[in-house]
Amino acid sequence: SAVISQKPSRDICQRGTSLTIQCQVDSQVTMMFWYRQQPGQSLTLIATANQGSEATYESGFVIDKFPISRPNLTFSTLTVSNMSPEDSSIYLCSVGAGSTTGELFFGEGSRLTVL
Amino acid sequence: AQTVTQSQPEMSVQEAETVTLSCTYDTSESNYYLFWYKQPPSRQMILVIRQEAYKQQNATENRFSVNFQKAAKSFSLKISDSQLGDTAMYFCAFMPSYNTDKLIFGTGTRLQVFP
Repeated sequence: SAVISQKPSRDICQRGTSLTIQCQVDSQVTMMFWYRQQPGQSLTLIATANQGSEATYESGFVIDKFPISRPNLTFSTLTVSNMSPEDSSIYLCSVGAGSTTGELFFGEGSRLTVL
Repeated sequence: AQTVTQSQPEMSVQEAETVTLSCTYDTSESNYYLFWYKQPPSRQMILVIRQEAYKQQNATENRFSVNFQKAAKSFSLKISDSQLGDTAMYFCAFMPSYNTDKLIFGTGTRLQVFP
């Protein structure tokens, strides 16, 4: 299993500002995934972050709004830019279990509230 | 496009009883994986059980078992001898075998176990 730490665990932000979420994994992983969980809704994949290359974004998500860094095999950041109340969500970092079986390990998430 | 549907937003069960959570999915693929993930109030998502589509035998993990009906595209989760610690959001998820990077989640079922 993998231990994933996310910071901050929660934050209250003002409209128009940006916030960077950090994700630290206790082992080296090739891919890291960022999900968004809007209030009362399911998880939606934002992007996949590979070390050494640009992140791959899912439909509906763009780099200008959600820039991602992946400087090494154990760390990634997701920035939520120019926030609006619609960005109020839980943002989750996850990594694969190291096999092709599809299991993911998740961090505890970062709960953002935008006023 | 693949979709996952959980038609029960909320369920409740008394401690020691059995409860079944429903999940249906839509795909044209023949090879894929199905999962049930649990998200307790602390928010860290964990894998409950996994099923490979090519396996006819239903997966079982202790008190958790699935009823996988491939033709009907149904994948229900049965929790036996429910415990207070089973209180959580439960997400059904789908992953095509050709793309093990991407999980597609249902909208979740909130399960409350009462003493």
